[in-house]
Amino acid sequence: AQSVAQPEDQVNVAEGNPLTVKCTYSVSGNPYLFWYVQYPNRGLQFLLKYITGDNLVKGSYGFEAEFNKSQTSFHLKKPSALVSDSALYFCAVRDRRDNYGQNFVFGPGTRLSVLP
Amino acid sequence: EAGVTQFPSHSVIEKGQTVTLRCDPISGHDNLYWYRRVMGKEIKFLLHFVKESKQDESGMPNNRFLAERTGGTYSTLKVQPAELEDSGVYFCASSQATLKGNTIYFGEGSWLTVV
Repeated sequence: AQSVAQPEDQVNVAEGNPLTVKCTYSVSGNPYLFWYVQYPNRGLQFLLKYITGDNLVKGSYGFEAEFNKSQTSFHLKKPSALVSDSALYFCAVRDRRDNYGQNFVFGPGTRLSVLP
Repeated sequence: EAGVTQFPSHSVIEKGQTVTLRCDPISGHDNLYWYRRVMGKEIKFLLHFVKESKQDESGMPNNRFLAERTGGTYSTLKVQPAELEDSGVYFCASSQATLKGNTIYFGEGSWLTVV
């Protein structure tokens, strides 16, 4: 069975500092990995994904994530946080062997607060 | 290009009543998904349409939930009768093709409160 862990419920960071939101996963095969963000009272917005190739993936709004197969991690990072980055972040995994949405498994979410 | 749109954005109903949520996917997207997040828990898959056909409905919690996608365009999700534990946000999503690495695009969600 697939699973996604986001070990931190809440991450606080000062504006201008680098931020990291952690994600680890467990799948039987090789994964497709995604990050989504949910701003207050809004829907889920796609940030970036890892499919294949370079382990460092760049996405929207200056975010990037690094796929680390040995550590089964896909941590989300940004060099300099903005107050507007404050939101709920979800990591999701999909097993390459499965085609359907039921195997698009989300983590529990991490609330990021960027303090001015 | 319009994204995935959902209606209503918010709904408050009494226990035992019926609510119908509507989703219009991105134009040209054959794949349509319903997910939900209840009581601050994890986002869970409900079902998946390919055009008008239900490809997978293994995530539907019980027979009080009925999803349709007549004509393969918009979809509705009906909850009848609604229970307190159904409160949460219901997300619709769509994708262009059932490719393994395909991005799924989500709507703004329909926030349901059952009182």
